[in-house]
Amino acid sequence: GIQVEQSPPDLILQEGANSTLRCNFSDSVNNLQWFHQNPWGQLINLFYIPSGTKQNGRLSATTVATERYSLLYISSSQTTDSGVYFCAVTGANNLFFGTGTRLTVIP
Amino acid sequence: DAGITQSPRHKVTETGTPVTLRCHQTENHRYMYWYRQDPGHGLRLIHYSYGVKDTDKGEVSDGYSVSRSKTEDFLLTLESATSSQTSVYFCAISEGYEQFFGPGTRLTVL
Repeated sequence: GIQVEQSPPDLILQEGANSTLRCNFSDSVNNLQWFHQNPWGQLINLFYIPSGTKQNGRLSATTVATERYSLLYISSSQTTDSGVYFCAVTGANNLFFGTGTRLTVIP
Repeated sequence: DAGITQSPRHKVTETGTPVTLRCHQTENHRYMYWYRQDPGHGLRLIHYSYGVKDTDKGEVSDGYSVSRSKTEDFLLTLESATSSQTSVYFCAISEGYEQFFGPGTRLTVL
């Protein structure tokens, strides 16, 4: 299957700080999604972004498919941003997940 | 909200017992999926369905079976549960290329 690597594995931020999360993948894909898993375990869709750049409030994402990576930007972080951020890519009918970046935002 | 519910939400069972988890969707999506989530592994695909009575295996299908007799329901069965199947199980549907997940079922096999 497709290998998906995320970095950093853990990140601790002061409230108000900015951060960049990275996702590298091993093969060409026709789908890339970013998810946030909140402390209650719920998986929340952030972006569907196979290529290009999208923005949603304080969050934005960029995927460079030809270079096989995607970046998730979080600006002016808030404590509610805490949780695990997953990148996932599709090959055939399988969605391959990275192991996530655990973000902790400190007040 | 993609209209996905899972039941039960929590279950504790003993090794060797059969277990069935249910995923229900209200929006007539053709594709449905079962994943498991374990520490250090992210989510991994167990089985998926592309229509009524049409299913296929995913990355970690050993020890699991599925059935889909109605569009809205996708069942995951552990015929004889083992401790290695202790996990959180997520159901998902797809709209185009984008997948949406249910709330999850936490299963503990003692």
